[in-house]
Amino acid sequence: GENVEQHPSTLSVQEGDSAVIKCTYSDSASNYFPWYKQELGKRPQLIIDIRSNVGEKKDQRIAVTLNKTAKHFSLHITETQPEDSAVYFCAASKGNNRLAFGKGNQVVVIP
Amino acid sequence: SAVISQKPSRDICQRGTSLTIQCQVDSQVTMMFWYRQQPGQSLTLIATANQGSEATYESGFVIDKFPISRPNLTFSTLTVSNMSPEDSSIYLCSAGTGAADTQYFGPGTRLTVL
Repeated sequence: GENVEQHPSTLSVQEGDSAVIKCTYSDSASNYFPWYKQELGKRPQLIIDIRSNVGEKKDQRIAVTLNKTAKHFSLHITETQPEDSAVYFCAASKGNNRLAFGKGNQVVVIP
Repeated sequence: SAVISQKPSRDICQRGTSLTIQCQVDSQVTMMFWYRQQPGQSLTLIATANQGSEATYESGFVIDKFPISRPNLTFSTLTVSNMSPEDSSIYLCSAGTGAADTQYFGPGTRLTVL
């Protein structure tokens, strides 16, 4: 089945700087790539997603880029704020509604 | 996105007992799923709850341990049967709404088995 890996496991950034989290996937048939943000004790929240027919998608301070050839996609957070501190999960799906999740990245924004 | 609720939000149970978790969506959805998230870990798909037919289980999960019902397009239950301390985890339901594959999560049920 699909194997999704996330790097780095923990990322600390100064407030105002950018954060980038990268995920790799194994199955070239995967065509849907969401990112979820999970704050402590809360539900995973879908923050952005991308499908394989586009290379980049942006929503205010967050963006996702996809490289199908290299089978990796990345989450970019600009002008980080303390409320961006959370665990971020990437996932991949082949269009069968079954999401395979990465292990998560802890992002810490230092005020 | 749909509003998804779960009951109970948390429970402490004794070994050998069973707990049924309910998931309610405020609109009809095609797909509903159940996940497990162990402390500090990622999300693992348990099964897809199919309306009108048996659930589809992922490798490592079986119907006898995790029976699932989905009587209509807005509601599903997951039962954790014959519990052991290893079943202590957060159980989350999700619903597929809108575009294909897009899923939104319920708040989760935190289960502790003593």
